[in-house]
Formats: sequence, C-alpha cells, structure tokens
Amino acid sequence: SQKIEQNSEALNIQEGKTATLTCNYTNYSPAYLQWYRQDPGRGPVFLLLIRENEKEKRKERLKVTFDTTLKQSLFHITASQPADSATYLCAPHNYGQNFVFGPGTRLSVLP
Amino acid sequence: GAVVSQHPSRVICKSGTSVKIECRSLDFQATTMFWYRQFPKKSLMLMATSNEGSKATYEQGVEKDKFLINHASLTLSTLTVTSAHPEDSSFYICSATPGQMNTEAFFGQGTRLTVV
Repeated sequence: SQKIEQNSEALNIQEGKTATLTCNYTNYSPAYLQWYRQDPGRGPVFLLLIRENEKEKRKERLKVTFDTTLKQSLFHITASQPADSATYLCAPHNYGQNFVFGPGTRLSVLP
Repeated sequence: GAVVSQHPSRVICKSGTSVKIECRSLDFQATTMFWYRQFPKKSLMLMATSNEGSKATYEQGVEKDKFLINHASLTLSTLTVTSAHPEDSSFYICSATPGQMNTEAFFGQGTRLTVV
C-alpha cells in the first residue's frame, strides 16, 4: 500500500536560516506532488505543486524539488521567519486520484 | 484563490445527538468534495468523497450510517455525525477542487466537534 513519510515530526530552526523538510513516498509513482501549510485549528492552505517532469519549482522564499528516482521531495524555506512556523504537509498523487497526505512536519522558527 | 467555507467552526453536543457540518464552495462549482478527519498532531485522514447528485464514496473503515454525507448542489456538501459519541470528537475538514483537473485543493476552515 502507499506510504508517505515526512521526517521529521518536528523541526526547530533559527530565524534567517533555511528550513528543509523531506517527503518520501513508497509503493506508487505520483505524477504530482503538492505541499500545504496548516496552522493550528485551521484547514490546510495550498503552497506549491510540482509535476514529475519538473525537477524544481520556486515561489518567493519557497523552493520544492521532486526526485522521482529517489521517490522524494524536498521543501525549502529560505530566510525563515517566525511567521513560517506551522505544520507542512506533502501530498503526492496522480491525476483523478484522491489526495493522501503525509503525517506533516511541525516547523518552529525561533527568533 | 477559490474559497471554501465550512460551518460551524466549533460545536459541542451531547452524546446521542446528531450534528450537521456544512461545506460550501463560494466562488466555484464543485462536483466533488472531500471530507477529512484529523486527530491532534496527526495528519488528515480521508473519510469520504462527496459526489453531487449521487452517493458518497466512503473510505475503508468509515461507517457510512454514522457519517451521513449529502451533496445536494454543486456548491454544498453536508456531513452529519449521527448519534454522536465522545470518540467522534475530532477536527473535521472539507475540501474541494475547482474544475476537472485535479490540481490544488481548497480547504474549509475546519470544524472542531466535541461530544460530551
């Protein structure tokens, strides 16, 4: 069965540093991979989508990579700020397939 | 971006009663909506896919008689937790995707259900 892992469960970094979050999946080959941000007590908010034929995608301070050979996506936040503190979820999927979310990484950016 | 509104945001009910949660797509039509449940510090668990004009598709292990889903229009899906018990207490979230292409999903604000 499909399995998604995000390591680690929690990540603490200093303000201004780059945060790197990892999403690994097994037992399937997604054509897309999405990243969402979730704040406590709120629904997730879409951040970025990357396709299998795209190696890298950027949006402002965010950068996502997608390595279909390693079955892994990396999510980077550069020049991190305390406001970036949240839980980040990855969702690898195929067209027409329901989303299955990873367990999430809780990021804390310390001032 | 597209807006999905979920109501209520919080509800407390007594054991044995039923609770209805509404999910509306405000600026787009959604033939399909999704209902998730989330336990503290855990990820979203897909409960069911709500299909406009037809029966919902439930994930394995989700009781369809317990969690009634109605998708009566292209902008509204409802989840009714029937005969609620304390173990049904959880955070329920709906989502919808505009258009036919399965791209980003837009989520409601979530509903915190507490059964006492």
